[in-house]
Formats: sequence, C-alpha cells, structure tokens
Amino acid sequence: DTGVSQDPRHKITKRGQNVTFRCDPISEHNRLYWYRQTLGQGPEFLTYFQNEAQLEKSRLLSDRFSAERPKGSFSTLEIQRTEQGDSAMYLCASDRDGETQYFGPGTRLLVL
Amino acid sequence: DQQVKQNSPSLSVQEGRISILNCDYTNSMFDYFLWYKKYPAEGPTFLISISSIKDKNEDGRFTVFLNKSAKHLSLHIVPSQPGDSAVYFCAASVDYNQGGKLIFGQGTELSVKP
Repeated sequence: DTGVSQDPRHKITKRGQNVTFRCDPISEHNRLYWYRQTLGQGPEFLTYFQNEAQLEKSRLLSDRFSAERPKGSFSTLEIQRTEQGDSAMYLCASDRDGETQYFGPGTRLLVL
Repeated sequence: DQQVKQNSPSLSVQEGRISILNCDYTNSMFDYFLWYKKYPAEGPTFLISISSIKDKNEDGRFTVFLNKSAKHLSLHIVPSQPGDSAVYFCAASVDYNQGGKLIFGQGTELSVKP
C-alpha cells in the first residue's frame, strides 16, 4: 500500500492557460474524490467517482473544470482557462465502500 | 452555509496536558464524523472517526466524543506532545457508506509547547 499519490506537487501557470493534475488512488479503492483547499479554510468537495462513474459534482465545479477516471484507476482533473481565483491546493482522496478516506499530498496551484 | 464549524482558529497547550478541539454542526442527517490532522504542504492524515450511533471512540491518546442533541463533537488528546502541533479538521458525512463526500470545518491550529 503506497498511499494516494498526486502529480505534480506544485504548478505555477499564467492566467488563461490550461492545467491538468493526476491522482493515483490506493489500489483496490473503488471511490476517488477531489477536493480544493484555500488558505484558512477546510477542504471543499469538488467531485467523486465510484469506479469510472462520476457520481456527484459540486456547484463549485464550474464548466472550466473537468474530471475523468477512465479505467476506474487513476483520475485527472483539468482546469481550462485558469483564473487567479483557481489558486488553491487540490487534494485527492480515495476509499473503499464504507471505509476511511485517505488523502494524497495535494497539488498546489498558483495562477499568476 | 457552513454546515461544520470549528470556532477556535487556534489553541495552545503545554506538553503533557490535555488538548480539546471542538466542532459544531448543523445538519442532523450527518451519520459519520472524522478528525484529520494536517501539516503544512501535506494532505490531511486520518486520525479517528465516530459513527452517529456511538457517543465515544478511543484510539490511544485520541478520544472523540459526540453529543448528537447538541450537534457537537470534540477531540481530546491526552497527553499532548509537541509532535501533535498541526491543523486539525473535523469532517462529517451524510450516508457515508453510499458515497462519503466529506464536509469539513475551517480547522483549528494546535500548538503544543514543550
């Protein structure tokens, strides 16, 4: 069990550029979650997958955001036309039905 | 609408003493509660959880208490150690087994002084 991994750990981009983040969950975890955390706040739910199906999306997830989990294993989160307000820590978590969610180290995004 | 609130942004305690972190919630449908610890530049680390059918759960130095009538939970750390210094988040979920989206509080920064 190597834990949840995320790549990259840090990303600096210019406003208007597209960025993509990857999350590799703990193997055999069928559920995968994306959260966003800004300074001084707790993580906020963005979306979650059960296997390859995206079952819920927060209203925080504007149409510039898209997430996929094509084979029910790793997931990607893409932000198109980034804005300065997108600067945050993007966290991925995974679990197996009814068990504890474990988080990855996060990807810190800075939009200039 | 902040469904989970941690009203103390920071707490300072002496090494060896008890740390008590508090959390209030508004949604009576929450059926599962968790505490996570977070160090800077790392993801949250799971500490302890409690189901709404219980009022107490212990794991070593960590105990979580749930008061459903008051919609309040607390995390007790005894004895506190300098390595416990971190930001602590409480989180809650509705129908956790069916898809455990977590709602987090704002966090409390604990500082344990030697």
